Amino acid sequence: SQTIHQWPATLVQPVGSPLSLECTVEGTSNPNLYWYRQAAGRGLQLLFYSVGIGQISSEVPQNLSASRPQDRQFILSSKKLLLSDSGFYLCACSTSNTGELFFGEGSRLTVL
Amino acid sequence: AQTVTQSQPEMSVQEAETVTLSCTYDTSENNYYLFWYKQPPSRQMILVIRQEAYKQQNATENRFSVNFQKAAKSFSLKISDSQLGDTAMYFCAFMKTYRIQFYFGTGTSLTVIP
Repeated sequence: SQTIHQWPATLVQPVGSPLSLECTVEGTSNPNLYWYRQAAGRGLQLLFYSVGIGQISSEVPQNLSASRPQDRQFILSSKKLLLSDSGFYLCACSTSNTGELFFGEGSRLTVL
Repeated sequence: AQTVTQSQPEMSVQEAETVTLSCTYDTSENNYYLFWYKQPPSRQMILVIRQEAYKQQNATENRFSVNFQKAAKSFSLKISDSQLGDTAMYFCAFMKTYRIQFYFGTGTSLTVIP
């Protein structure tokens, strides 16, 4: 089965600094990849998804961007962090249209 | 856009008792999938149970079962014989068939009391 590695697990960054969160997947090829943000009381918000290398779809306009340089690598980035970017970020993958989603362990970002 | 609503932010249940978590959703689609995911404290999100909308029979996984009411767009999760390890945040999720976007509710924090 799939294994999702996500890092860093915890990150504290000042406002205006850049961000890079990385996610890699093992145990499958050509997965659909996702970035979610989890905020208290707001559930999981779908940020980006990707069906293949270089193919990124954004669900909400925001200060963040995503890239997929390799089949099993998904990166979440920002050039300048905002306070509102604080949250718990989850990478996930699915391998069929009937999915289930497999999740990474998450990255907790605090912007100060 | 699809919306998923969980109206119970927090719930508690005595160990060995039964609890039901509610979920409603809004869609114009006829074919879709519904899921319940569990996120234990400081642990990974995992799938609890899945229901295909075209199936009338409610899905069951051991102590977990759903009550799927398609006309009412309702998808509740029943946990029987609650165990301490069931303490977690539970998320209801929706996915259109043959699409790739999953949409989640805001979650219900369940505490099992010994």
